[in-house]
Amino acid sequence: QVQLVQSGAEVKNPGSSVKVSCKAFGDTLTNYAIVWVRQAPGHGLEWMGRLIHNVGVTNYAQKFQGRIAITADKSTNTAFMELSSLTSEDTATFYCTASGTSEPPLFWGQGTLVTVSS
Amino acid sequence: EIVLTQSPGTLSLSPGERATLSCRASQFIYSNSLAWFQQKPGQAPRLLVYGPSRRAAGIPDRFTGSGSGTDFTLTISRLEPEDFAVYYCQQYSSSPGSFGQGTKLEIK
Repeated sequence: QVQLVQSGAEVKNPGSSVKVSCKAFGDTLTNYAIVWVRQAPGHGLEWMGRLIHNVGVTNYAQKFQGRIAITADKSTNTAFMELSSLTSEDTATFYCTASGTSEPPLFWGQGTLVTVSS
Repeated sequence: EIVLTQSPGTLSLSPGERATLSCRASQFIYSNSLAWFQQKPGQAPRLLVYGPSRRAAGIPDRFTGSGSGTDFTLTISRLEPEDFAVYYCQQYSSSPGSFGQGTKLEIK
């Protein structure tokens, strides 16, 4: 059982970057597949990318390719999602999740609201 | 990329009734790697069933997942007041692990 606690809400200018953290408690985060999910206000869930740290695999959805990076720091048991070149369409709640390698997201963070506005 | 289409978009039912939610994939989903999530306003989604008929820990047995290949179903046998929410299917057999657009289950 792992508990995921994400960093707080952010307000960003268009064109800037945001880095959201996801700290794990109760187990070693890098033993899990870490998936980040985006949800725009009033909209559905969108799979952004995945990190399987133990085998060094990352996969990103094509729409985010080139401006997303998912990483993990074993020493702090924390995962990160950095998204660059932000536009107003990136205003959303971002969730980190953890699961077994061949399983769906089981554990979810509380979500981090990122607002992109000038 | 596998596209998941959920139907209906909105389902209006009363407590005690049976709910049937559908999820259709644009391609064959290998290993039946299809999951269902429930999301209530202001909360993170919660995994209900996966694989496609295994319940996650703590999920009541009124939630049943079924199907194979490209057609999957979530059935809620007797609706409780706390079941009214938005439901999403997700395939995790290939990257990207796409979600359906959701079905809103509302009280009639």
